Order: sequence, then C-alpha cells, then structure tokens
Amino acid sequence: GIQVEQSPPDLILQEGANSTLRCNFSDSVNNLQWFHQNPWGQLINLFYIPSGTKQNGRLSATTVATERYSLLYISSSQTTDSGVYFCAGPPNAGNNRKLIWGLGTSLAVNP
Amino acid sequence: DGGITQSPKYLFRKEGQNVTLSCEQNLNHDAMYWYRQDPGQGLRLIYYSQIVNDFQKGDIAEGYSVSREKKESFPLTVTSAQKNPTAFYLCASSIGRDEKLFFGSGTQLSVL
Repeated sequence: GIQVEQSPPDLILQEGANSTLRCNFSDSVNNLQWFHQNPWGQLINLFYIPSGTKQNGRLSATTVATERYSLLYISSSQTTDSGVYFCAGPPNAGNNRKLIWGLGTSLAVNP
Repeated sequence: DGGITQSPKYLFRKEGQNVTLSCEQNLNHDAMYWYRQDPGQGLRLIYYSQIVNDFQKGDIAEGYSVSREKKESFPLTVTSAQKNPTAFYLCASSIGRDEKLFFGSGTQLSVL
C-alpha cells in the first residue's frame, strides 16, 4: 500500500522562528489534507490542498501532486503552534479510498 | 455552532464489558468516521459510513461495532472482544467521501 513519510519527526523552535514540514507519498494521492493536533488531542483541519498553494494567516501549504509531496510552512511561530502536525490523503487509484495518514511531526515552540 | 460532539470525554471499561462512545454532528455531513489513536502513533480507521444505514469496516474493525440509524449520529461500541481497547478515539465527518475532514474532541478509553 501507499506509504506516507513526514519529516522531521520532531522539531523544537524558539518563538518567532519559521519552519517547513514535509509530507512525502510513495504513490499519488488525491485531496491531501494537513491537520494540527493540539496537546489536548483536538484535531483541526488546516488545509485541504489537492494541488497548488494556499495561505491561512501565518500558515501556508503547497502540494506538488505530480511529485507526490506537500509542504507546510509555519512563519513567526507561536507557542500555540505546538502539537502534532499530520498529513493525509486518499489513494488516487484503486478501490481503496480510505485516507492514508502519516505518523506526524511533533512540534514544540518555546517562549 | 456547527460541529461534532463526542461523549464522554473519558470512559473506563471493566473486563468483559461493552461500552459505547457517542458521536453526534450537526454539520449535515453524509460521511462519518471512527479512528483510533495510540500514544505517539498516527490515526487508524475503525469504521466509516458514507450514508445512513450503511457502513464499512476500516483497517482495525475487529472488536468494534457501529450503527448509522440517523444522519447525525454514528455511535461506536467497543466490545469485550477488543482485548486492547485503551486508546484515544476520534470521530470525524465530511460532506462526502474524499472531502475535507472535521473531527470531534475525542474520547479517552481506559481499562480498569
């Protein structure tokens, strides 16, 4: 099956720093999504981004579907950005349309 | 406010007991999902439903059961056949398959 690799697995930032998180798929996926899980477990959908670039405040995401990867940019990080970031997407082909999830990038932003 | 409500937030199960986790959404979404999350792990799909009165097994359905009698509700029962039920359970919904996914706040299930 399709494999999803997220990098880096762990990241520690000082408040105000910028960072880039990466999501690589072993095969093409549709409708890639990025999520943030806060320390209390709540998962928030950050981006629904099949291709191209989207921006939402200090966050932006770029998906290059033909090269099977997506990037999540966090600028001017804040302590509230801490948590785990997941990417997920359903396979582009075949009958199995269930979302394939990465293991996440754990981010800690220190004040 | 529209959203997904999971209850209870914490649940304890005794040996041999079945327990039911509630998930209600008022987003008018057709599709609903149950995921299990173990510490330091990603999400694994238990069951999903694309429409009322229909549901499909996910990757780890053994020891779990669901029903979808109403569009708004998708309860998950953790049966006594699930030998390792301790985990964080997340309910999600989307307008349709492959659409943007929204999550509830989760239920932490522990074994007494």
